[in-house]
Amino acid sequence: DIEMTQSPVSLSASVGDRVTITCRASQDINYYLAWYQQRPGKVPKLLIKEASTLQSGVPSRFSGSGSGTHFTLTITSLQPEDVATYYCQRYKSAPFTFGPGTKVDIK
Amino acid sequence: QVQVVQSGAEVKKPGSSVNVSCKAFGGIFSSYAISWVRQAPGQGLEWMGTIIPLYGTPKIAQRMQDRIRIIADESTRTAYMELSSLRTDDTAVFYCAVGFGSLSTFDYWGQGIPVTVSS
Repeated sequence: DIEMTQSPVSLSASVGDRVTITCRASQDINYYLAWYQQRPGKVPKLLIKEASTLQSGVPSRFSGSGSGTHFTLTITSLQPEDVATYYCQRYKSAPFTFGPGTKVDIK
Repeated sequence: QVQVVQSGAEVKKPGSSVNVSCKAFGGIFSSYAISWVRQAPGQGLEWMGTIIPLYGTPKIAQRMQDRIRIIADESTRTAYMELSSLRTDDTAVFYCAVGFGSLSTFDYWGQGIPVTVSS
């Protein structure tokens, strides 16, 4: 099975900072990579699909890039409401594996 | 827009089974990809299985294949997940998530079902 890894495990940044999270797949998954946001105590929310396609209603400060095995999620100007754990996920074919998550806090 | 509503919290004994449901409103039910995801306390998201009612046969995570059953009832727009031989480490929130088609992300999520396994 394809394994998904993320780095860092957690990060703390100031409001307005640029934040980048990396996701790697153990095999080529083309662009079939999604990002989810889970705020504390809340239900996960789809942010990005096809590695870079922002879902409707997601603020433009979020962006995704990459293909193959290396992907990034960038928040250009961190806001307090962005405090959450972010998960990547491969989805072209089963198993639809999630990465272990990256926890983002405000410094 | 799709709304996903799940059944209520469960408390179970080790060795027993739990059956949880997920009802989806809006869109064409048979074309949904309905997935089950669990999250143990303080842990990450774990994909359990996905069913597309149009195709019938679910895809199941290998580590759960011997004790999970996923079905979908188009007449009631409801999907069901049964997990058997419960262990204390099955304690988790179980989410149902809905997408569209075979190359589907998990677009719409239910509220989650807390399942506690305790003697």
